[in-house]
Amino acid sequence: ILNVEQSPQSLHVQEGDSTNFTCSFPSSNFYALHWYRWETAKSPEALFVMTLNGDEKKKGRISATLNTKEGYSYLYIKGSQPEDSATYLCAFLANTGNQFYFGTGTSLTVIP
Amino acid sequence: DAGITQSPRYKITETGRQVTLMCHQTWSHSYMFWYRQDLGHGLRLIYYSAAADITDKGEVPDGYVVSRSKTENFPLTLESATRSQTSVYFCASSGEGQRLTSGGYEQFFGPGTRLTVL
Repeated sequence: ILNVEQSPQSLHVQEGDSTNFTCSFPSSNFYALHWYRWETAKSPEALFVMTLNGDEKKKGRISATLNTKEGYSYLYIKGSQPEDSATYLCAFLANTGNQFYFGTGTSLTVIP
Repeated sequence: DAGITQSPRYKITETGRQVTLMCHQTWSHSYMFWYRQDLGHGLRLIYYSAAADITDKGEVPDGYVVSRSKTENFPLTLESATRSQTSVYFCASSGEGQRLTSGGYEQFFGPGTRLTVL
């Protein structure tokens, strides 16, 4: 069992604020790191698949960076909107198998 | 309908009964996964399958059985349900058809099955 940690556990921000949160994972045997967005009463949906150290991905106001040497990824949301309210999950895949290890998520609430 | 579906969406059963949760995907994805979602634990992998007739244990396989005779179906069976198996179960699939980068395929999740064991 590999340890994947996300922080903070929950976050409340005002509409228009920018925010970021962290996913920490083992720095050895890295293969891929996924970010998912999970809205209440829905299923997780993929945001980013990251495989290379130094990778930066962007989708609209959301972006992510990856540091495989130190074992962390940051997710940034610029100018948060109420529709960004969701739980953001990261999932780590090691090069030793096909099993994804999910963090427990960061719950984001954007207050209008 | 295209996509990934789960049935039933809600199930109440009693301790000791056998329960089967169904998962069906129409993309011909090679990989399929079963997760359970519990408070404080996030998503934990129960079993996964790399292809038809190939399955492997995940983090929490005890008390569960899977099969994959066809690429599109991946049923999960609780052989003798226990209260600790009350959870929300998510099926997911990924594979060659959705390859985004040189490695690590995004997973597509089903809508979930809420199982209550009394």
